[in-house]
Amino acid sequence: KAGVTQTPRYLIKTRGQQVTLSCSPISGHRSVSWYQQTPGQGLQFLFEYFSETQRNKGNFPGRFSGRQFSNSRSEMNVSTLELGDSALYLCASSLVVSGTSTDTQYFGPGTRLTVL
Amino acid sequence: GQQVMQIPQYQHVQEGEDFTTYCNSSTTLSNIQWYKQRPGGHPVFLIQLVKSGEVKKQKRLTFQFGEAKKNSSLHITATQTTDVGTYFCADPSRDNYGQNFVFGPGTRLSVLP
Repeated sequence: KAGVTQTPRYLIKTRGQQVTLSCSPISGHRSVSWYQQTPGQGLQFLFEYFSETQRNKGNFPGRFSGRQFSNSRSEMNVSTLELGDSALYLCASSLVVSGTSTDTQYFGPGTRLTVL
Repeated sequence: GQQVMQIPQYQHVQEGEDFTTYCNSSTTLSNIQWYKQRPGGHPVFLIQLVKSGEVKKQKRLTFQFGEAKKNSSLHITATQTTDVGTYFCADPSRDNYGQNFVFGPGTRLSVLP
């Protein structure tokens, strides 16, 4: 099975711009979660999508949004970019087995966003 | 809110030495997961522990879940340069609203040849 793919891998933007990142989960995985990774804050949960619905959201401002399509592909959007948004954005997919309380996250390679 | 802490933040060892990282949660965990992220890479799932006091081994790696299910450890015996990376523990909780993984800050391991 192909792994989780993310595009683009690298992105350079300037303050005030907006950016859209894309994630394709492993085939059959319906849950997609997004994380922001920075040296200072570690891995921070952004949000999770399941069956095109946002089920959970981390503590990030409204400038961070996302969506999921019927084929489980997900996009994440950041508007009005700030310097502090420079980070590695990771997407992870999971199978979500009903009746279990936990799932394994399969991470993509990430998108490295630099805001100048 | 719920916090997951890890110590040490960094560890430098000589190849062949042992290494241990400790993970502590402010709340009782249902399960705990461990991930490894190589430099320049992405986190990769290593293992999940479920039962109180559970010990699992993967070759030179030994994972332990505390009796109170509030702490866990990862021990590597006789480190190799391939062990270099950051090791994260995670509370893989899922509630009625969906997943809400909380990752520890990670322990970055350097192995000197």
